Amino acid sequence: ETGVTQTPRHLVMGMTNKKSLKCEQHLGHNAMYWYKQSAKKPLELMFVYNFKEQTENNSVPSRFSPECPNSSHLFLHLHTLQPEDSALYLCASSQRDRARGTEAFFGQGTRLTVV
Amino acid sequence: QKEVEQDPGPLSVPEGAIVSLNCTYSNSAFQYFMWYRQYSRKGPELLMYTYSSGNKEDGRFTAQVDKSSKYISLFIRDSQPSDSATYLCAMSRDDKIIFGKGTRLHILP
Repeated sequence: ETGVTQTPRHLVMGMTNKKSLKCEQHLGHNAMYWYKQSAKKPLELMFVYNFKEQTENNSVPSRFSPECPNSSHLFLHLHTLQPEDSALYLCASSQRDRARGTEAFFGQGTRLTVV
Repeated sequence: QKEVEQDPGPLSVPEGAIVSLNCTYSNSAFQYFMWYRQYSRKGPELLMYTYSSGNKEDGRFTAQVDKSSKYISLFIRDSQPSDSATYLCAMSRDDKIIFGKGTRLHILP
């Protein structure tokens, strides 16, 4: 069983649709992240959850709405997206430890296409 | 100035060569340094993780950090076609992990 699992792997949605991305981590970590990966751009941090509490919202538009019901699950709810939101959305988790830093482990990503 | 700079490549080298991948950074608050490998249509996979200046070796991979120059490197010895991927450097400060753009590497058989 992989450490971080994302579903679906691929998603095509219209601009008026509502959909959700799901992430589950089986590593016992206490922090989870959403990143956006677009072509020729660095990975962009979107949201950070630490012990289920949102600690970072990196100026993400409100059409992206995260939810973290427990430390193992993370959702990204999508509504009225734009074509420029098409990208690979990556979930990651880490064990926050000030002595060791915060290396992240990633899922396989959801390839999102907005039409 | 971007916090993390990485040449996107592509970089093509013959099989068996030593590969050198590099990143520079501007913020001296970065404390932890990582290299990830990402194959096409996959999520990034953590390769190396280091904290202090100096070298860290793991098999064919060596990560090097020079905090005084704000420069990190990843060396791949005896490169294989299976090493063809995008390599991303990453650094963490506070609770954020900041990534470079990634360098596309092609190992030619």
